[in-house]
Amino acid sequence: AQSVAQPEDQVNVAEGNPLTVKCTYSVSGNPYLFWYVQYPNRGLQFLLKYITGDNLVKGSYGFEAEFNKSQTSFHLKKPSALVSDSALYFCAVRDARSGNTPLVFGKGTRLSVIA
Amino acid sequence: GAVVSQHPSWVICKSGTSVKIECRSLDFQATTMFWYRQFPKQSLMLMATSNEGSKATYEQGVEKDKFLINHASLTLSTLTVTSAHPEDSSFYICSANTGTEIDQPQHFGDGTRLSIL
Repeated sequence: AQSVAQPEDQVNVAEGNPLTVKCTYSVSGNPYLFWYVQYPNRGLQFLLKYITGDNLVKGSYGFEAEFNKSQTSFHLKKPSALVSDSALYFCAVRDARSGNTPLVFGKGTRLSVIA
Repeated sequence: GAVVSQHPSWVICKSGTSVKIECRSLDFQATTMFWYRQFPKQSLMLMATSNEGSKATYEQGVEKDKFLINHASLTLSTLTVTSAHPEDSSFYICSANTGTEIDQPQHFGDGTRLSIL
């Protein structure tokens, strides 16, 4: 079975400081990993994905994430947070062997960037 | 590209009313769409997988007679909440894959906030 854990319900960071939103996963095969952001009363917006290759992937709005196979982690990062980054962030996984199945999401982490 | 449009964005109605929510893929064909429900401060709960031209696959615990899903074309799936009651109040979000490639992200609509009085 596939699963995703986002250990932090809430992350607070000062504007201009680096931010990290944590994610760990569990799959039987190779993982396809995704990060999404959700603003209030909106759907989810795709930020970035890891499929294969370079462990550091870059995505939209200056976000990046690092895939760490030994730690089964895929933490989301940004060097300098903006107030506008405040939102709900979801990590998701799909097992490469599972076919075209829906993504499995973590419970979400609310990011608050304080001016 | 890969835009998913969901309508309506907000519905308020009386208990006992049936409500239909539409999910359209605007610039691609979606053979598979997914319907999620999101409670306040909680993650997405997958309700069902909608396949064009066939019956939807419901997740365990989701009443298929309560939540009717129709995927009549490659660009439209609908979710009908039948005889809605206050406990059905929630945020419903649809999602679609752009194809069969499993390394592609799902694309989401903007959701429908359903409030049953």
